[in-house]
Amino acid sequence: DAGVTQSPTHLIKTRGQQVTLRCSPKSGHDTVSWYQQALGQGPQFIFQYYEEEERQRGNFPDRFSGHQFPNYSSELNVNALLLGDSALYLCASSPRGRRETQYFGPGTRLLVL
Amino acid sequence: GEDVEQSLFLSVREGDSSVINCTYTDSSSTYLYWYKQEPGAGLQLLTYIFSNMDMKQDQRLTVLLNKKDKHLSLRIADTQTGDSAIYFCAEAGGNTPLVFGKGTRLSVIA
Repeated sequence: DAGVTQSPTHLIKTRGQQVTLRCSPKSGHDTVSWYQQALGQGPQFIFQYYEEEERQRGNFPDRFSGHQFPNYSSELNVNALLLGDSALYLCASSPRGRRETQYFGPGTRLLVL
Repeated sequence: GEDVEQSLFLSVREGDSSVINCTYTDSSSTYLYWYKQEPGAGLQLLTYIFSNMDMKQDQRLTVLLNKKDKHLSLRIADTQTGDSAIYFCAEAGGNTPLVFGKGTRLSVIA
């Protein structure tokens, strides 16, 4: 059984560009959450999706948006990239009816120059 | 707002026990978690405890919860070099997102 997968593993962008990160949840999981982890910090919650809708959102600007597809996979989009958006972006999935347990993918490391 | 505090570093000798401590502020926390992060990797869920429990044991791991003092600890028995990593404490309500501490870097000396 594959765990949570994310693509790409690494990405380099320049300021002002846009980026799309992808996540496939574990089999049997229907909820996807996204987190941003800056260097030396704990992960910060961005938003959570289930039933293809954004259900909760952390303290992130509208430049951060997302989507969930019918197969439960998800995308995180960031527009107008800033240097401060450089971080490890983590996706976590939760089983149906067990949203309190979150299993993380390996992350996408984004560097904004 | 919620806040989770951890000490930043812990160094132990191989074979000793490690105890990583965490305090949190949100009294409505329902679940408390320990995650492990190895260099360049994502977070691995080690264990979690429901707030009406005071202890949970899973092989070499023991979690203690003092809800009155809002204090959580993770004890790793017989610590091995493979346990070297960053350990994150996190809390959540029943339907709220995880709030993480900044992590404790555990170094195991052979």
